[in-house]
Amino acid sequence: GNSVTQMEGPVTLSEEAFLTINCTYTATGYPSLFWYVQYPGEGLQLLLKATKADDKGSNKGFEATYRKETTSFHLEKGSVQVSDSAVYFCALRGGTASKLTFGTGTRLQVTL
Amino acid sequence: AAGVIQSPRHLIKEKRETATLKCYPIPRHDTVYWYQQGPGQDPQFLISFYEKMQSDKGSIPDRFSAQQFSDYHSELNMSSLELGDSALYFCASSTGTGGLRDTQYFGPGTRLTVL
Repeated sequence: GNSVTQMEGPVTLSEEAFLTINCTYTATGYPSLFWYVQYPGEGLQLLLKATKADDKGSNKGFEATYRKETTSFHLEKGSVQVSDSAVYFCALRGGTASKLTFGTGTRLQVTL
Repeated sequence: AAGVIQSPRHLIKEKRETATLKCYPIPRHDTVYWYQQGPGQDPQFLISFYEKMQSDKGSIPDRFSAQQFSDYHSELNMSSLELGDSALYFCASSTGTGGLRDTQYFGPGTRLTVL
């Protein structure tokens, strides 16, 4: 079946540091890949997505590239801000299933 | 832009009681999904509906049932509540069905606490 593996958190960075959150997946066929962000006490917000190999999703300074050869979709940001502190979920949707399969989430804490 | 609406936002119930959660999808979205997120966990898929028909089923307990109505809103009915049902319940909506390119948009969630 489909599965998503994320690096464990929490990840603690200073403001303006470079961020990488690793995500790898297992799926049959050609899944669509997503990053969702969950701020404290709030719901899930779509951050970015990619629907085919070599696609790059980007939003609010975050980027992730769909790498089929390494089955990865790592999230990056060049300079994080305190306001980026949240939990980040990698997810996939693939095969004949309509559901999203999520990773365990990575908590990011950015300090001044 | 209109978003997914869920009600109530918070709900407190006793063990063995029943609860009904409501979800109103984004206008013109015809597919609704329900997810359960336990404390510190990732969201787990429960069930989905397209055009009022169940389209996919995940780890939904037999004590739970759901349906989608003609106006596309959905309700999740939970009976014989247990302490372990305490969680954040998300509804998401999208257009189409089975399409691998659909994006799901999530509501703010209903936080259910079972005492």
